[in-house]
Amino acid sequence: QKEVEQNSGPLSVPEGAIASLNCTYSDRGSQSFFWYRQYSGKSPELIMSIYSNGDKEDGRFTAQLNKASQYVSLLIRDSQPSDSATYLCAVRVSGGYNKLIFGAGTRLAVHP
Amino acid sequence: SQTIHQWPATLVQPVGSPLSLECTVEGTSNPNLYWYRQAAGRGLQLLFYSVGIGQISSEVPQNLSASRPQDRQFILSSKKLLLSDSGFYLCAWNAVGAGSYTFGSGTRLTVV
Repeated sequence: QKEVEQNSGPLSVPEGAIASLNCTYSDRGSQSFFWYRQYSGKSPELIMSIYSNGDKEDGRFTAQLNKASQYVSLLIRDSQPSDSATYLCAVRVSGGYNKLIFGAGTRLAVHP
Repeated sequence: SQTIHQWPATLVQPVGSPLSLECTVEGTSNPNLYWYRQAAGRGLQLLFYSVGIGQISSEVPQNLSASRPQDRQFILSSKKLLLSDSGFYLCAWNAVGAGSYTFGSGTRLTVV
């Protein structure tokens, strides 16, 4: 059974701080990784994708990937109250038809 | 540009009643289509995926079925709903070879 694990939180950070969200996955053959943001009652929206080991930056977001450790993380710099949401880690399953497996999500709360 | 439509937004159905949720994609052809369910406070569970008309793969044995009668139409059905079918149902699509998904706005189903 291929799995994606995330700490459910809530992760509480003050406004302006760095929020660090972590994810581990079991499928060693996975090559594609994604972070989605989901506001309460809404559908998930893609915020980052990463395919190679190392860091990938997009604005205030940085995704980090370590395939040897089977670990993905998302850093949010200068956190804002509008970043308060659940962040879902998704992993493309190897050998499948573009199937993504999602973690249960980490709830982030940014307080003023 | 591509858009995905999902309806209805909310639905309250009695136990034992039938279900039909519809999803359509515009602006693309031959998309991969997916149905996910998200139970309250839980992660996304892949229910069905389809790579073409009439081609449906089921991920989890359950009380539901899916059909793809047209290239850009994906339908989720049940003959008799159970209480455990309650949840947030999400349709998603991606292009062949693409990694990430785009989600529809979701249907919140409550079985009473």
